Amino acid sequence: AQTVTQSQPEMSVQEAETVTLSCTYDTSESDYYLFWYKQPPSRQMILVIRQEAYKQQNATENRFSVNFQKAAKSFSLKISDSQLGDAAMYFCACWAGGSEKLVFGKGTKLTVNP
Amino acid sequence: AAGVIQSPRHLIKEKRETATLKCYPIPRHDTVYWYQQGPGQDPQFLISFYEKMQSDKGSIPDRFSAQQFSDYHSELNMSSLELGDSALYFCASRTTLAGGPLDDTGELFFGEGSRLTVL
Repeated sequence: AQTVTQSQPEMSVQEAETVTLSCTYDTSESDYYLFWYKQPPSRQMILVIRQEAYKQQNATENRFSVNFQKAAKSFSLKISDSQLGDAAMYFCACWAGGSEKLVFGKGTKLTVNP
Repeated sequence: AAGVIQSPRHLIKEKRETATLKCYPIPRHDTVYWYQQGPGQDPQFLISFYEKMQSDKGSIPDRFSAQQFSDYHSELNMSSLELGDSALYFCASRTTLAGGPLDDTGELFFGEGSRLTVL
């Protein structure tokens, strides 16, 4: 079974600046996918970005990008030009072909200061 | 676009009562997952179904049961409720009927959750 570790329980960033959230994972599967989910106070789980393990190119979605280091099993999320609406819990998650389920990290609470 | 529908959105029960949560996956999605997220916690996998058969089981108490019906909707039944069962219960769905491994992104589509409060 896969494991996901987020070592930063809380992070803060000034509006318009850049912040990086860390995530490491472990899986014995060669076929897996990595995700960052955002959970605002409304508690809706919103997909931010997705990375296929077989792709070497880092995924980007507008202001969100990842740094996927496969050998190091690291999957960090960079948020550029942070906005007040980015404030939320961010969960890193891994879906592996063998387990066929999504496993979450403990989450990082992001605060955006005006 | 159609999303995962969960009902009820909010539910308040007394200890030792029974609760049933329902999940309607995105049309043509054949796999349903249930997750439990306690206050300040990460979502924990409970159980999943593929084509109406249980496909995997996580940390689901014996007091809980679930099934997937012929129309692919799923119900999570919780009996002898305890205070610790108070949580947000997410249902998620995905399809394994894509064109092949490269189309199967593993992405789960989440419902908005059902918040259960046990008093």
